[in-house]
Amino acid sequence: NFILTQPHSVSGSPEKTLTISCTRSSGSIASNYVQWYQHRPGSAPTTVIYEHKERPSGVPYRFSGSIDSSSNSASLTISGLKTEDEADYYCQSYDGSTWVFGGGTKLTVL
Amino acid sequence: QVQVVESGGGVVQTGGSLRLSCAASGFTFSNYGMHWVRQAPGKGLEWVAVTWYHGNKEDYSDSVKGRFTISRDNSKNMLYLQMNSLRVEDTAVYHCARDTVTYSLSGWFDPWGQGTLVTVSS
Repeated sequence: NFILTQPHSVSGSPEKTLTISCTRSSGSIASNYVQWYQHRPGSAPTTVIYEHKERPSGVPYRFSGSIDSSSNSASLTISGLKTEDEADYYCQSYDGSTWVFGGGTKLTVL
Repeated sequence: QVQVVESGGGVVQTGGSLRLSCAASGFTFSNYGMHWVRQAPGKGLEWVAVTWYHGNKEDYSDSVKGRFTISRDNSKNMLYLQMNSLRVEDTAVYHCARDTVTYSLSGWFDPWGQGTLVTVSS
């Protein structure tokens, strides 16, 4: 199995752009889709990006996803930061036998 | 709307048992695989178990294999997690989550429930 590593925390000012990384320890990041979930304490996690870069209906265009094979990582980019974006964000992937989550990144909007 | 709602959490002593339930609505339950995912206090999300849409096949994380049993009742649109031989490290909020494709398993989950808290005390 592989490990997904995320920064513990990130912060940004309103209206700025921020990126959260998710690095895969072994195997290619491109070989299995990566998803991103937003989780506010006490609430159900919600999907903001699936299959590397797809956005579910209802998720603002401010959220985008990508992968970079050279760094073997996925990224979640949030533009035009809003206070409502404050939450924990988790990347997740599936290797055909196990569903793996990153450790989570706490996003603070200053 | 499509939703899942967990229940059954509580406080139990080390070595004890607990059964969680998840009520599904707004979709054809029998067409989808279903998962349990947990979050220990101050920790990240951890996948626990999955049951295929027909209920004839399951899989578990190594941390719960042999102690937890996932099951479903497609006639009642219900998912269950029987937890035996509970340990302090099983303390967590347990979320029920639907798979995203019919008649198979995808790589991800949607929607999720708010979760139910299980506390294992020594």
